[in-house]
Amino acid sequence: TQLLEQSPQFLSIQEGENLTVYCNSSSVFSSLQWYRQEPGEGPVLLVTVVTGGEVKKLKRLTFQFGDARKDSSLHITAAQPGDTGLYLCAGRGGSNYQLIWGAGTKLIIKP
Amino acid sequence: NAGVMQNPRHLVRRRGQEARLRCSPMKGHSHVYWYRQLPEEGLKFMVYLQKENIIDESGMPKERFSAEFPKEGPSILRIQQVVRGDSAAYFCASSPGTSGGGREQFFGPGTRLTVL
Repeated sequence: TQLLEQSPQFLSIQEGENLTVYCNSSSVFSSLQWYRQEPGEGPVLLVTVVTGGEVKKLKRLTFQFGDARKDSSLHITAAQPGDTGLYLCAGRGGSNYQLIWGAGTKLIIKP
Repeated sequence: NAGVMQNPRHLVRRRGQEARLRCSPMKGHSHVYWYRQLPEEGLKFMVYLQKENIIDESGMPKERFSAEFPKEGPSILRIQQVVRGDSAAYFCASSPGTSGGGREQFFGPGTRLTVL
């Protein structure tokens, strides 16, 4: 069974600080996606990484896919209160459609 | 261009009643996926449907749960004889395809089911 573990589960920091959240597995994924979910809403796709070692940047967010395509990280620079939310990673395994989800990192940025 | 629509947003049922959750995919999307999310957990895949076909229902409980995506109208997730353990947020996603860039799944706002 493919599993994705996210850490930390919860993170509360001050505005302006940097942070990194992790998504780890013992399984290889063909691609990995990061989503952000606000309370009462569905997940919204932030990025998809496909190639081992790939780095993608989205403004202050930097996403990296591990060389072996088993893990990924999300780094936020100079966090802002608007970054508050639940960050979920999801890996695509053997099928073209089934996503394996991590439990999420709940991020709170205090002004 | 409307996104994925789900209704109702909140549904309260008593034990033993039936729950019907509806999902209208994005325009042009013919692939629908249902997920379940418990508090403090990630999403769990339930079922994948195309128009008039169930492609993969491996994540759906064998009893009491059923799903359909008719030729006309929304996709329906039906839970019969609900129990307290069915309380969760149910999300629907849609995609235009399952290969390449068409694999991206767009999510609806979810239906929060509470079983009393």
